[in-house]
Amino acid sequence: GQSLEQPSEVTAVEGAIVQINCTYQTSGFYGLSWYQQHDGGAPTFLSYNALDGLEETGRFSSFLSRSDSYGYLLLQELQMKDSASYFCAVRGSGYSTLTFGKGTMLLVSP
Amino acid sequence: NAGVTQTPKFRVLKTGQSMTLLCAQDMNHEYMYWYRQDPGMGLRLIHYSVGEGTTAKGEVPDGYNVSRLKKQNFLLGLESAAPSQTSVYFCASSPGTVYSNQPQHFGDGTRLSIL
Repeated sequence: GQSLEQPSEVTAVEGAIVQINCTYQTSGFYGLSWYQQHDGGAPTFLSYNALDGLEETGRFSSFLSRSDSYGYLLLQELQMKDSASYFCAVRGSGYSTLTFGKGTMLLVSP
Repeated sequence: NAGVTQTPKFRVLKTGQSMTLLCAQDMNHEYMYWYRQDPGMGLRLIHYSVGEGTTAKGEVPDGYNVSRLKKQNFLLGLESAAPSQTSVYFCASSPGTVYSNQPQHFGDGTRLSIL
């Protein structure tokens, strides 16, 4: 099976940089994804890492180390609208499904 | 540009009642999924489908049934609702395995309360 661990809550101030960590255990690894969810709304896809290293998309970056079974989401130049829950997810052994972590609630204050 | 549409958005049921949640996608995606989200539990997969006419069990399938008679629709049924099924239900869809990265596209959710 798969399991993921991420902090339950992270706080930061506007303009700062925050890192949300994710460690995973999985029998077969096909990539680590990140999703954002505002106020219980529809989760939306942010990023995907299949290989080691950093992927950058605007203010958001995602990092993966397969040898450490570890990844993180880096949010720069934080804005109030970044207050949301962030979920890491790994592709299941059957390839077609995702297993999600329990989510990290990011609170951005002025 | 509808994407994934879930109906209804809210519903209150009494214990023992049955109901069906409908999910429709207009992106011609092969894969569709039903999740439930409970406080502090993240998204847990109930059932999924990798194509029309196919379904498979996810992590928490007990008490639910699904059908995928048409590619664009994925139905989730509760035969005899229980208070433990009070949750927010999300439907999602994604392209097939030809893509190395197949992000899932989510609907806005159905908030279901069982009394």
